[in-house]
This record gives sequence, structure tokens and C-alpha cells, in this order.
Amino acid sequence: SQQGEEDPQALSIQEGENATMNCSYKTSINNLQWYRQNSGRGLVHLILIRSNEREKHSGRLRVTLDTSKKSSSLLITASRAADTASYFCATDDYGQNFVFGPGTRLSVLP
Amino acid sequence: GAGVSQSPSNKVTEKGKDVELRCDPISGHTALYWYRQSLGQGLEFLIYFQGNSAPDKSGLPSDRFSAERTGGSVSTLTIQRTQQEDSAVYLCASSFSPGQGKNIQYFGAGTRLSVL
Repeated sequence: SQQGEEDPQALSIQEGENATMNCSYKTSINNLQWYRQNSGRGLVHLILIRSNEREKHSGRLRVTLDTSKKSSSLLITASRAADTASYFCATDDYGQNFVFGPGTRLSVLP
Repeated sequence: GAGVSQSPSNKVTEKGKDVELRCDPISGHTALYWYRQSLGQGLEFLIYFQGNSAPDKSGLPSDRFSAERTGGSVSTLTIQRTQQEDSAVYLCASSFSPGQGKNIQYFGAGTRLSVL
């Protein structure tokens, strides 16, 4: 069964707007990561947040983690057309198990 | 190169044939993962190698799928008697030793397998 579940499945916004994607998971985790995948390419790591952290920033990215609700959100501010991609959350449960969600397809319209 | 390299980038085969997919991880990475991604879907875990330990094969969908990692470096994923439902992108990723709280995976560009 999926550990991480992103929502929405698809999101379409205008350039300059903010995009928010959510991820829910089921079991205890060590950390949670967000990855981006451009069409036809491999995944690229964006940001990692540890289970004892609540918020983390990297450039235009802001990630929050609520372990009581077993959820995380990824906010992309001032979106650009180049942000168009699929975004995946992945959970790490203190060992080898690394589970990806089904992803959110983001389209940023110029 | 500095990244994870996968070959071939595209493979077209006929139903019933065997295929081999190759992954060259980043030098020094002890962990290696294989995933399968169907069109528009998420990643399906297939198999995980960590150093000299026995691999975690729990994600392999059938006994037609096997993988090996020689010398703790290059890995080959073999699919025997391919079926049309095996058509997908097969992604390989490597990372430093996991379990240390920072298990970031570095992905190859994938092999797109089409079974006719």
C-alpha cells in the first residue's frame, strides 16, 4: 500500500501564483522528502525535512511537516513555467524502506 | 560521469523475449534501488541493494524479474519472457548508506521499455 499520498493529483495555475501540494502518510517516519520529475526524466531531490522539524525553506520552496496529522505540504511561491513537473513525496522509515506517493502533476501556464 | 547512468535509454522488444537493463550508480554510493513507473503513475519499488547484504527483493512483481549487483557497483535488472504489462519506465537510483537520517536518492534518466 502507498505510504505517501499526494493531493491534488493535478494542479493548474497561472505563472506568478503560488502552488500548494499536500502529502499524507500512514506510519512513523524518519524523514520526508520531496522530489520533482520533469516529463521523461528521472526524479530530482528538492528538499528533506526530518521528523523533528516543522518547517523548512529552500529558495522558493517551503515545506511543512505535521507528524501528529502525518502530513506534509510543499509550497512553491511565485511559480514559473519551468516549475511544470510532477512532484512526489517520499517517506523514509528509519531504514531501507523508501516509499513514494503517486505524485501531483503541476502545470504552470504562462 | 558524475550522475547515475542507465542504459539503454529506450528498449523495444517483442513479447516473450528477455531484456537486460543496466544501471551505473554514483561512485561511492552503497545503496542502489530499482523502481518501475507506468505512464502518469508513481514509482513502484522493485528491489534494493545495500553493500554486501542480501538484496530486498520484496517489490519484484513476479519470478520473471531478477536483478544483480556485481562488485557493489553496476546493477542489471533482467526481465524474462517479457509481457505487454511490463511496458514502463524503469528507474534506478543510488544513495549513500541509508539509515543515517539523510537518505537522498539520485536518479538516472530511466529506461523506457516497450513490449510489443
